[in-house]
Amino acid sequence: EDQVTQSPEALRLQEGESSSLNCSYTVSGLRGLFWYRQDPGKGPEFLFTLYSAGEEKEKERLKATLTKKESFLHITAPKPEDSATYLCAVQGTGANNLFFGTGTRLTVIP
Amino acid sequence: DSGVTQTPKHLITATGQRVTLRCSPRSGDLSVYWYQQSLDQGLQFLIQYYNGEERAKGNILERFSAQQFPDLHSELNLSSLELGDSALYFCASSPHGTHSYEQYFGPGTRLTVT
Repeated sequence: EDQVTQSPEALRLQEGESSSLNCSYTVSGLRGLFWYRQDPGKGPEFLFTLYSAGEEKEKERLKATLTKKESFLHITAPKPEDSATYLCAVQGTGANNLFFGTGTRLTVIP
Repeated sequence: DSGVTQTPKHLITATGQRVTLRCSPRSGDLSVYWYQQSLDQGLQFLIQYYNGEERAKGNILERFSAQQFPDLHSELNLSSLELGDSALYFCASSPHGTHSYEQYFGPGTRLTVT
């Protein structure tokens, strides 16, 4: 059965203090690993798709990396507007839907 | 703005009632997915439609049903509502039915059952 575990559950950072969020996954054949950002009461906003181990993608202050067992979302010099819940999801072979973790709630303090 | 629209934004109803949630996918997307997000469970996949046909089913209760119309908009019908059905319901769309493509989410419908 597909499994996605995100850690930590919550993270408080000072503005400018870089850190990483972790997503550990178990899936029978990985089609893709997805990162989303979700603001309270809003729909998840797509950030990245990673398909194979060793792949990296960047967008502004965010960088996502993938290994065979986990993915990291690195946040460099975060700003208060980066505060949100970051969701990781996997799509396994033979599956059409995304299987989501419960997210990391990030708070960036000015 | 993802291009996916959902109506209504909020819905308050009583136990035992039936409601219909509506979703319009991004222009050109053929697949629509429905997800439920509650505080204790995170985002749970309910059902997928591709070009009018049911393609995949997740943890969808028998009291819930969905359909996708020829213009590709989709409706999720929830009946015999219970307090535990209170949640955010999201729809997402993607261009293809089975390939690994990102899904784009709508703003959601917040359902409160009293």
